[in-house]
Amino acid sequence: DAGVIQSPRHEVTEMGQEVTLRCKPISGHDYLFWYRQTMMRGLELLIYFNNNVPIDDSGMPEDRFSAKMPNASFSTLKIQPSEPRDSAVYFCASSLADREGYTFGSGTRLTVV
Amino acid sequence: AQTVTQSQPEMSVQEAETVTLSCTYDTSENNYYLFWYKQPPSRQMILVIRQEAYKQQNATENRFSVNFQKAAKSFSLKISDSQLGDTAMYFCAFMKQDNDMRFGAGTRLTVKP
Repeated sequence: DAGVIQSPRHEVTEMGQEVTLRCKPISGHDYLFWYRQTMMRGLELLIYFNNNVPIDDSGMPEDRFSAKMPNASFSTLKIQPSEPRDSAVYFCASSLADREGYTFGSGTRLTVV
Repeated sequence: AQTVTQSQPEMSVQEAETVTLSCTYDTSENNYYLFWYKQPPSRQMILVIRQEAYKQQNATENRFSVNFQKAAKSFSLKISDSQLGDTAMYFCAFMKQDNDMRFGAGTRLTVKP
């Protein structure tokens, strides 16, 4: 089991550009979560999916953010256009429905200059 | 809304000694789950220990144990025989029945040789 796989590990982009973060959850996991981590706000839940369906996107900061899960093995988080305040580490996590705990990916460190 | 409070931003402990990290939470739920996650400098989020609220027995995982006080809404983590590799950020997390996990602000633990 390769765990939750996120790409890229680091991303540096210019303000105004589109950024796409990718996540491959653990095979067989029913839930997928996107979190953002910053020094000021800690770990914030952005959105989560159950069986590829978005359940709660109330944490998505604004319309510039969007997330999709076209199938059980892939999800994307897109920021368009990106702004410097979007700089953070973005984590993807997945879990089974039995609440054993989330398995996190290694995160993507996004820097918007 | 559920909130998780970690009142100790930073702590330190001598190698081989014992340290306790505090966590309190606020909820009106009766059934829920509590977790401690470790985030070393590599930034990987690692599940340390898990507790179901309906279980009175405190969870233990080798050198890690919790003191779960449901009435007081307290969930502290005790690390025995601290090792240099325990140096990390530690996050307390709460999860209610619908599988949505919320994190505290974290405690930075330094183990000194």
